[in-house]
Amino acid sequence: DTAVSQTPKYLVTQMGNDKSIKCEQNLGHDTMYWYKQDSKKFLKIMFSYNNKELIINETVPNRFSPKSPDKAHLNLHINSLELGDSAVYFCASSLLNTGELFFGEGSRLTVL
Amino acid sequence: AQTVTQSQPEMSVQEAETVTLSCTYDTSENNYYLFWYKQPPSRQMILVIRQEAYKQQNATENRFSVNFQKAAKSFSLKISDSQLGDTAMYFCAFIATSGSRLTFGEGTQLTVNP
Repeated sequence: DTAVSQTPKYLVTQMGNDKSIKCEQNLGHDTMYWYKQDSKKFLKIMFSYNNKELIINETVPNRFSPKSPDKAHLNLHINSLELGDSAVYFCASSLLNTGELFFGEGSRLTVL
Repeated sequence: AQTVTQSQPEMSVQEAETVTLSCTYDTSENNYYLFWYKQPPSRQMILVIRQEAYKQQNATENRFSVNFQKAAKSFSLKISDSQLGDTAMYFCAFIATSGSRLTFGEGTQLTVNP
């Protein structure tokens, strides 16, 4: 059983389109995250939710909107995609304040 | 704000030898966790080792060990008996026990040569 699963794993789309990435965790964790890994492999946090409440919201364009319907799911919707949005997006989960994050396999987004 | 610095963008080592990856961090927190994550070409982020700041003893996991110097804010990773499967990007990471933000360093690409 995959602990943190993301879909889709790969996504190729045109500029201006809207796309979503879904994430689910079956670890019983209360906190979930979205990280962006750019072409230089740098990992930067975007959002974090604890029990469905937004607790971290980094300086991210408004075109990115996370949604957490319950504490086991955290989805990422991106509007009006731009070339610079091309990256690998990682979902992760943890128990709050325990430190260790469990990562999904990543979703590689390519915007043409 | 916390920062994590890995000053070695790339390193290489011969199979069976030992290599040390460097990491320094900056924080005003006293209680925190430090991690090394590994990202092989498969892209999966894999936890290698974890250190609690309140523990003086350095963490060890099989061939992986750390040298944690709290006063110097240094957290290096030593890989003994390097194996080809150790080839990966290695990330040092920090999180305060009071926080929820895991901050990563820039990564070190390690190549193990046969």
